[in-house]
Amino acid sequence: DADVTQTPRNRITKTGKRIMLECSQTKGHDRMYWYRQDPGLGLRLIYYSFDVKDINKGEISDGYSVSRQAQAKFSLSLESAIPNQTALYFCATSDLAGGYNEQFFGPGTRLTVL
Amino acid sequence: QKEVEQNSGPLSVPEGAIASLNCTYSDRGSQSFFWYRQYSGKSPELIMFIYSNGDKEDGRFTAQLNKASQYVSLLIRDSQPSDSATYLCAVKRTAGKLIFGQGTTLQVKP
Repeated sequence: DADVTQTPRNRITKTGKRIMLECSQTKGHDRMYWYRQDPGLGLRLIYYSFDVKDINKGEISDGYSVSRQAQAKFSLSLESAIPNQTALYFCATSDLAGGYNEQFFGPGTRLTVL
Repeated sequence: QKEVEQNSGPLSVPEGAIASLNCTYSDRGSQSFFWYRQYSGKSPELIMFIYSNGDKEDGRFTAQLNKASQYVSLLIRDSQPSDSATYLCAVKRTAGKLIFGQGTTLQVKP
């Protein structure tokens, strides 16, 4: 079984709809991250969480919110989706104890906002 | 200026050649540097990390770091078609955040 899972894997929605992307991990890691990837722009950090009570904004948090329901679960919400939020979204985890902070990525969610 | 910059490519090399991927970063205080490989439609996976000046070798891969020049590179020796992917350079910032470059697409031609 995959260590970091994301649901759904693909989603097509309409402008103005509320969307939730979910991430679960079985690695036992404390730290979780949400990124979006757009062609030619690499990975950009949306939000990150270092434990259940810790939520931090990343580079591009406007239009997004997150919830850390448990150590293993971190959800990303788009309250009112807009077309420029069409992208590939990745969840990642890392171990607090990892000195070099390797991040492990989920398989991604491809979101299309029409 | 972007914090982490890479040439987006594509970089095309023949099979068996050395591929050289480059990355520059703007924060002189950066401590750790990472190379991720991402196949088309897949998630990134870590292939190398480096935090000391000089070279670090792992199989066919060598990471090179020059903090004075704020430059990190990845060499792939004996390139194979299976190495064709996008290579993402990432720099560790405070509190464990990674800042990624836009990635370089490598094409290894048989």
